[in-house]
Amino acid sequence: EAGVVQSPRYKIIEKKQPVAFWCNPISGHNTLYWYRQNLGQGPELLIRYENEEAVDDSQLPKDRFSAERLKGVDSTLKIQPAELGDSAVYLCASSLVDRGAYEQYFGPGTRLTVT
Amino acid sequence: AQTVTQSQPEMSVQEAETVTLSCTYDTSESDYYLFWYKQPPSRQMILVIRQEAYKQQNATENRFSVNFQKAAKSFSLKISDSQLGDAAMYFCAYRRANSGNTPLVFGKGTRLSVIA
Repeated sequence: EAGVVQSPRYKIIEKKQPVAFWCNPISGHNTLYWYRQNLGQGPELLIRYENEEAVDDSQLPKDRFSAERLKGVDSTLKIQPAELGDSAVYLCASSLVDRGAYEQYFGPGTRLTVT
Repeated sequence: AQTVTQSQPEMSVQEAETVTLSCTYDTSESDYYLFWYKQPPSRQMILVIRQEAYKQQNATENRFSVNFQKAAKSFSLKISDSQLGDAAMYFCAYRRANSGNTPLVFGKGTRLSVIA
């Protein structure tokens, strides 16, 4: 079974530039999460999708961040414009909505550096 | 809001020895799940072990076991017969139950070094 796929693995951009991250969850997983992990910290949720609906985006800085999950499969997270403080690892995870299932599977993440 | 606290930023252990990583959490919920995740330098989060709050028996997975103290809201991870491949960041995480696939709430992590 293929795992969660993310691209790119690394991205270096100048501040004020736009950037986008892509995530392909495990086949059949209807829940998709985007987490941000700052250096030396644990991941924190940015947004959670159930199928194509964003059901929890309270931590997403909506002035500069946007996300979409077309057709309830792949997802894209965008930042425009990027700020120095956005440097972090962006992790995508997926899981299956099922009362008995609770494991989230993580992708390898995208390390963003804003200069 | 739920919080997870890992009070040990760094730990080290000799190869083949045993080490215990600490985690405490705060919640008003009675039903939840607790997890330990391992994050090697590759950044891939790997599930090590999980515990359902309604189960009194501590979870075990080969060399990994937990000490779950629900009343004290404590959830420590014991790694026995430590191996060089165990070196990584370890994150304790909490997830509320009975609300669909709620997100994980992570601690700040403990960096484990294994000395040969």
